[in-house]
Amino acid sequence: EVQLVQSGAEVKKPGESLRISCKGSGYSFTTYWINWVRQMPGKGLEWMGRIDPVDSYTDYSPSFRGHVTISTDTSITTAYLQWGSLKASDTAMYYCTRQEKVGLTGTRWWFDPWGQGTLVTVSS
Amino acid sequence: QSALTQPASVSGSPGQSITFSCTAASSDVGGYNYVSWYQQHPGKAPKLIIYDVNSRPSGVSNRFSGSKSGNTASLTISGLQAEDEAEYFCSSHTSASTLVLFGGGTILSVL
Repeated sequence: EVQLVQSGAEVKKPGESLRISCKGSGYSFTTYWINWVRQMPGKGLEWMGRIDPVDSYTDYSPSFRGHVTISTDTSITTAYLQWGSLKASDTAMYYCTRQEKVGLTGTRWWFDPWGQGTLVTVSS
Repeated sequence: QSALTQPASVSGSPGQSITFSCTAASSDVGGYNYVSWYQQHPGKAPKLIIYDVNSRPSGVSNRFSGSKSGNTASLTISGLQAEDEAEYFCSSHTSASTLVLFGGGTILSVL
């Protein structure tokens, strides 16, 4: 069974750093991009960025570039989303999700499956 | 404000068919057949139900179908059931630097 299992909920203070994780299993980890999606309380989905586990190439939404860092450790089939300095406005649920690569440069533009989500709460 | 516009809510009765719309603000989205739809029940992760405008993943009921005309994509649910009550998000690839857009979501109530 293909699964993405995320790390548990976090409560942090503004200015603190944080790294959350997403472990893939049941498939070839390097054959798929890992994407991160934010859902603020009571709001819709926002695409943050993605990483190719083969070479760690990343794409970021302009809304998130410079504020978060996406990385992977292929030896443990795990992707990460990291903040250097959290803000209260980072309070949200964060999902990782898989996106299939096609050939050398192509991509499927849909996401399946999704991790169960990691709730990040930033409050003083 | 999302670049994919969805109605905030719709409602229907069991057994009815209902259609959700998803309208792109820019024409480049309309040029792609990369629209996907996700179902999200409260407190749960989104689930893929339609990809590439009108394809269904294995295991998704054939009561769900998708289509696109110009810059507007649509999701139709036929034979509404209580379990269909959820929020539905559309998504599309875009040539803009953000690469992926999501709609604001439509909450479906089955009355």
